[in-house]
Amino acid sequence: DSGVTQTPKHLITATGQRVTLRCSPRSGDLSVYWYQQSLDQGLQFLIQYYNGEERAKGNILERFSAQQFPDLHSELNLSSLELGDSALYFCASTAYPTGELFFGEGSRLTVL
Amino acid sequence: SQQGEEDPQALSIQEGENATMNCSYKTSINNLQWYRQNSGRGLVHLILIRSNEREKHSGRLRVTLDTSKKSSSLLITASRAADTASYFCATASLQGAQKLVFGQGTRLTINP
Repeated sequence: DSGVTQTPKHLITATGQRVTLRCSPRSGDLSVYWYQQSLDQGLQFLIQYYNGEERAKGNILERFSAQQFPDLHSELNLSSLELGDSALYFCASTAYPTGELFFGEGSRLTVL
Repeated sequence: SQQGEEDPQALSIQEGENATMNCSYKTSINNLQWYRQNSGRGLVHLILIRSNEREKHSGRLRVTLDTSKKSSSLLITASRAADTASYFCATASLQGAQKLVFGQGTRLTINP
């Protein structure tokens, strides 16, 4: 158990819909990363927060947004969903940026 | 584009043999990390090597880093069936951004 909790574990929705994925980092970790992993693919970096502030951005689509709240949990919002958004979405936390990442078990999103 | 590129993409060996995976990257790095992922699960951190280190050991794992060639290798000695997984390298760039960028991974299969 990494200490990082992601909900929901599985989500099935239709094209055009909006979903919110939630991440609770390890106790004491200030930094949260979001990654997208499509089938048999590597991890695509989406965005990183540190203590509530956005610190780094990857190839995150404009339809996607994220935030980190004062209690350090983070949410990833995906809107106007397309079939190609079907993927595993991972959250990871770390005590300091670029340090060892602790990953959650992921949220598997299926868009039909 | 991905910073790290693993080679080979897939590797199949017999139990007890050694497995070597390579990672090449493009820009100057702060550190390089190796992670393991069992199918559909969250990634697990294996080892972190800093840019001023050349070799690091952890149990049956040995990681080398050659910054002049921008490459790293992960050696798993005396492989076991339980080592079957995908292995990813991740790099933390020196240039400002705090993101950790992952490669596409090497899929390792250990045959009993």
